Formats: sequence, C-alpha cells, structure tokens
Amino acid sequence: GAGVSQTPSNKVTEKGKYVELRCDPISGHTALYWYRQSLGQGPEFLIYFQGTGAADDSGLPNDRFFAVRPEGSVSTLKIQRTERGDSAVYLCASSQGGAGANVLTFGAGSRLTVL
Amino acid sequence: EDKVVQSPLSLVVHEGDTVTLNCSYEVTNFRSLLWYKQEKKAPTFLFMLTSSGIEKKSGRLSSILDKKELFSILNITATQTGDSAIYLCAVGGVQGAQKLVFGQGTRLTINP
Repeated sequence: GAGVSQTPSNKVTEKGKYVELRCDPISGHTALYWYRQSLGQGPEFLIYFQGTGAADDSGLPNDRFFAVRPEGSVSTLKIQRTERGDSAVYLCASSQGGAGANVLTFGAGSRLTVL
Repeated sequence: EDKVVQSPLSLVVHEGDTVTLNCSYEVTNFRSLLWYKQEKKAPTFLFMLTSSGIEKKSGRLSSILDKKELFSILNITATQTGDSAIYLCAVGGVQGAQKLVFGQGTRLTINP
C-alpha cells in the first residue's frame, strides 16, 4: 500500500480482555516495528521484525504482549489480560530494512483504552 | 541504557518567530539521529543526520548534529501556524539504527 495502515484506529476494552492490533506495512518493506506511545511521551520501542522473524523483542514489557508476522508482511500485536496501564497509542512503522535503512515510516496508530 | 533528552518540553511563540529545538543523547555505538514531526498521530520524517557539522535543510527547517558534544538542534525560521506539532528526536545505536530510541518530544505551538 501507499502507507502504513493500522486497524482499528480506536479500541476500547475492559480490563482482563484480549485485544489484537493489526499493521499492514508499506509494500516491499522488509522491516516492521511496533512502538507504544503514552500521553506526553515519545514512542517506546516494543519489537522489531526483519521478514517473518522477531529480530529484537527486548521492548515487550511482559509475557502478556506478543507479536507475529507469519508471512513477512502484515503483523498483529496481541495483548492478553489487558490492564489499565496498557492504555496508549500503539504505533507501527516499516522500513526497507538492511544496514542503512533506518528511516521509519509510521502508521496513524491504534489508540487502546482499557477501562 | 540509551537515552535521548529533548528541550524545551513545550514552547509557545508567535507566527514569524524563529525557534531552536534541542536534542541531547547518550547511546552506545551511535549510528544516526532522526527528527520527526507529529501533528495528529503518525510521526512524519523530517531529517536523518549521521555526520557532524553537516547541515540538513528543507525549506524553513534545518538541522545539524554535533557528535563530539552529543547533541542536535532543529531550527525553524519564519514559523507558521502549520508548524504547530510535537517534534520528536530519535537515535539509533547499539542494536543498529532499526531500534530507534525516542526523546519525550517538544510541543511547539505557533500563535497567529
């Protein structure tokens, strides 16, 4: 696609529920990233995929968070047993990958609110 | 731990003023520094800097990097109300530029 597409744009859920957030990167971009942005803060790194594999998942806060990218394109961020502290905007970005490809193109984000 | 600090956190000026936004960093094996503009939700790319002393320029915006003193500045001249946004600074370090570490951002407001 022309840009990075994220769905849903807004998600309201209750504490303890399971949520999935989807990211469709720019066509041909091999690298995909998930970031989380809380109010008044900069984006915080969660996980980075190169192709189908998670090259770096050191930013995932705990084992309730999991992300997949089974075919090397679309990615899904999964959050189990949501907590109020998970409320944030979840940003996805993609890039061409490779050693010099560090300009990330971001999607508009999915705003998650946990009540 | 890699760290990026931006200042000021908030800035309010009048249209036509010139502003300078600051970004200092501590990162292992520095690769690059990037500036993004965030108006609604999606940060949009402005500049990528990898070498000291070389100014990047785009219209009224310019940026420069000092790798010795570990900081960068973003200048905006003749500001317009459309420049109102959050400006984010990010650095790529030990894990490669792919893992960008962001600062808190500077919220810039341009009043008419």
